[in-house]
Amino acid sequence: SYELTQPPSVSVSPGQTASVTCSGDKLGGKFACWYQQKPGQSPVLVIYQDNVRPSGIPERFSGSNSGNTATLTISGTQAVDEADYYCQAWDSINVIFGGGTKLTVL
Amino acid sequence: QVQLVESGGGVVQPGRSLRLSCAASGFTFSSYAMHWVRQAPGKGLEWVAVISSDGSDKNHADSVKGRFTISRDHSKNMLYLQINSLRPEDTAVYFCARDQYDYGGNNAFDIWGQGTMVTVSS
Repeated sequence: SYELTQPPSVSVSPGQTASVTCSGDKLGGKFACWYQQKPGQSPVLVIYQDNVRPSGIPERFSGSNSGNTATLTISGTQAVDEADYYCQAWDSINVIFGGGTKLTVL
Repeated sequence: QVQLVESGGGVVQPGRSLRLSCAASGFTFSSYAMHWVRQAPGKGLEWVAVISSDGSDKNHADSVKGRFTISRDHSKNMLYLQINSLRPEDTAVYFCARDQYDYGGNNAFDIWGQGTMVTVSS
């Protein structure tokens, strides 16, 4: 079965750029999207179709997807961006989530 | 405003059944595919099931196939998840989520409910 692999944790200093990766076989041939989830809250879509930001998502969030890796990039990371981030893609008729990455801003 | 509100969770004994509900409002419910996603305590997101906008197409994750059934009622703007033969490993928060469009478009989930907790324990 198809799998998406994310690093369990990423740390970044405030104001710096954070990159969260998501790896899967030929992932670049699929659309990847990203969700942000803060403790006790529901997930929020932050990137879809590899690099499109939904309305209301800050411009510091961007995405890319090529080869076997999709990447969520947060430029000028703020303390409010500390959260779990999940990538997601479709494999045929099934939806696959990555295991999630805890982003720590310190 | 666009909203999804889940209900029906609780503490249930292993082997029993439960039906989760998701009330949709603020959008044309019949135009969108809908999903269930679950999250075990302290764990990541796990997709459970999808149903097309008209209810004619459904798919369930292999981990729940044969025990879980997704359905929808357009007259009530409701999404359901029937869960049978509950197991301790089904303990999780269950979220309903709206697909950006209809089933088959490799889309993202743009609206999520707050979730309902299901605890399977004797």
